[in-house]
Amino acid sequence: DIQMTQSPSSLSASVGDRVTITCRASQSIGSYLNWYQQEPGKAPKLLIFGTSSLQSGVPSRFSGSGSGTDFTLTVSSLQPEDFGTYYCQQSYSTPYTFGQGTKLEIK
Amino acid sequence: QVQLQESGPGLVEPSQTLPLTCTVSGGSISSGSYYWGWIRQHPGKGLEWIGYIYYSGSTYYNPSLKSRLTISVDTSKNQFSLKLSSVTAADTALYYCARVNYGSGTYSIDYWGQGTLVTVSS
Repeated sequence: DIQMTQSPSSLSASVGDRVTITCRASQSIGSYLNWYQQEPGKAPKLLIFGTSSLQSGVPSRFSGSGSGTDFTLTVSSLQPEDFGTYYCQQSYSTPYTFGQGTKLEIK
Repeated sequence: QVQLQESGPGLVEPSQTLPLTCTVSGGSISSGSYYWGWIRQHPGKGLEWIGYIYYSGSTYYNPSLKSRLTISVDTSKNQFSLKLSSVTAADTALYYCARVNYGSGTYSIDYWGQGTLVTVSS
């Protein structure tokens, strides 16, 4: 199975900050990388698919980049509603696997 | 707007079979552009793909669960189902049903149910 490792595991940031979350795959996955946000008590929400394509309805302050084994999710200007846990997920090979999550807290 | 709703028992005894059903509304499960899947989340932990099914009945199962898992589809009811046999406490989790969008090969989950908590205990 492909292992997905996210860093940091948690972070605290202020409204307006630029935030970057990193996801590293244990082997090359091309551009087959998706990002989700999960608010407490809710189902995850798709933010970005295929490394950099923004899901419909997701604010443009979210962006993704990378290829191969290293990927990033960036929030250009953090908003209060952006708190929660972020997960990356590879869809290069089955079983598709998720990262362990990055918990984002708003200061 | 597509909506998915899980249903099933909240409590299952060890060694028994866990049955869950997902009812899809706002769209047809027979649409050829999607798979229909199950994902679970152990309490306070991350996410795990269980498997998925196409409307035609073709399936993918996570190898770690394959020997105990059956996923089926009922297009007439716009539902798909999961059965996990010989459950143990390790199967206690929040179970989500979901729509898997495989456009451009990305296999992303673009719609999720609200999740149903299943506890395995006697």
